[in-house]
Amino acid sequence: NAGVTQTPKFQVLKTGQSMTLQCAQDMNHEYMSWYRQDPGMGLRLIHYSVGAGITDQGEVPNGYNVSRSTTEDFPLRLLSAAPSQTSVYFCASSQGQQETQYFGPGTRLLVL
Amino acid sequence: RKEVEQDPGPFNVPEGATVAFNCTYSNSASQSFFWYRQDCRKEPKLLMSVYSSGNEDGRFTAQLNRASQYISLLIRDSKLSDSATYLCVMFSGGYNKLIFGAGTRLAVHP
Repeated sequence: NAGVTQTPKFQVLKTGQSMTLQCAQDMNHEYMSWYRQDPGMGLRLIHYSVGAGITDQGEVPNGYNVSRSTTEDFPLRLLSAAPSQTSVYFCASSQGQQETQYFGPGTRLLVL
Repeated sequence: RKEVEQDPGPFNVPEGATVAFNCTYSNSASQSFFWYRQDCRKEPKLLMSVYSSGNEDGRFTAQLNRASQYISLLIRDSKLSDSATYLCVMFSGGYNKLIFGAGTRLAVHP
């Protein structure tokens, strides 16, 4: 039981490049979410999904897309990277939105 | 005003000390409350939920004060391994989402 896995661990992008951050969970959780964490700020919700085929925007969705074709996977796509997207990205899964959130190890992204 | 506010610290305490953190929230519709722990450059992990009646888990005690809109975390007999950032988290029914505080950093020294 691996829990929540994220790849890559680190990534450096140039402004304008696109990429996909991968997230997978093996706990059969319906609820999955993506957060970004910046210094001095709490985790902020980017997008979330309450089940396969259902996604919705969080607090800071601009510049990001998601899809949920299976229960296990919830990739986050950066369409055209900007320096403001330099951050640590965490994927989380849970039985429900108010339940214990299980976080992946994070992806550290630097956009130059 | 931020929805969840925490003293960022750091709180520097010796081993064996008792330390308390508070977290204030602005939305009275907040329904559920949690403390998460985050070690340096690691992911957050649930430490404990916070119940209206207060709850204890070993050396950790969490309290909720709805009238004054704050939650607290008390750590007794601090260990070096308690050094981490403690995140206050609440579920806002009004916004239908989890809201994370920026965290309070604790450093326990020998």
